[in-house]
Amino acid sequence: IAGITQAPTSQILAAGRRMTLRCTQDMRHNAMYWYRQDLGLGLRLIHYSNTAGTTGKGEVPDGYSVSRANTDDFPLTLASAVPSQTSVYFCASSEGLAGADEQFFGPGTRLTVL
Amino acid sequence: AQSVTQLDSQVPVFEEAPVELRCNYSSSVSVYLFWYVQYPNQGLQLLLKYLSGSTLVESINGFEAEFNKSQTSFHLRKPSVHISDTAEYFCAVSDTGGFKTIFGAGTRLFVKA
Repeated sequence: IAGITQAPTSQILAAGRRMTLRCTQDMRHNAMYWYRQDLGLGLRLIHYSNTAGTTGKGEVPDGYSVSRANTDDFPLTLASAVPSQTSVYFCASSEGLAGADEQFFGPGTRLTVL
Repeated sequence: AQSVTQLDSQVPVFEEAPVELRCNYSSSVSVYLFWYVQYPNQGLQLLLKYLSGSTLVESINGFEAEFNKSQTSFHLRKPSVHISDTAEYFCAVSDTGGFKTIFGAGTRLFVKA
């Protein structure tokens, strides 16, 4: 079944540790996104990529980095995790980087930083 | 800057009753509007969207939303809800000249038997 996969499903991490959240899509979509979901705040955009080789900052990029070496993969890295990064992280993709395009979401990664 | 306000954080309703989930947005430019639904322990999925044309848009499972430009609203309605409609619903907006989608805080719909 085509779609987006994320790994791990959940993770408990000690503060200060490095962590990479993985995201892979098989729809050949050009655009990909990382969001964090926090209670009462909805989804906030962390980083995005409109095509392989390019990335951009979203609303809350501090403490996170991304790379887009190919069309399918879009990993999110926390270089040195802090408790405020405890959240549910969603990867998404869309055919293009246009406001009209539907975004397709992965199942999420629940991250707890202690 | 754009913003989205979902006026109710939680909406409890009995099965087969009507429901309205309210959404207001602010933007200085033309917009596209979306409703996404998130079932427990899943990612978001598109429920319906308004791009242009008829201001009333419908989903395949009986939801509808109406774009009201003068009131900057895009409320979601269903005349008769089912237990299976229990989920969190997110209103979202993006401007027609850009790509970033702004999501509301979400409304948790809880359908009771």
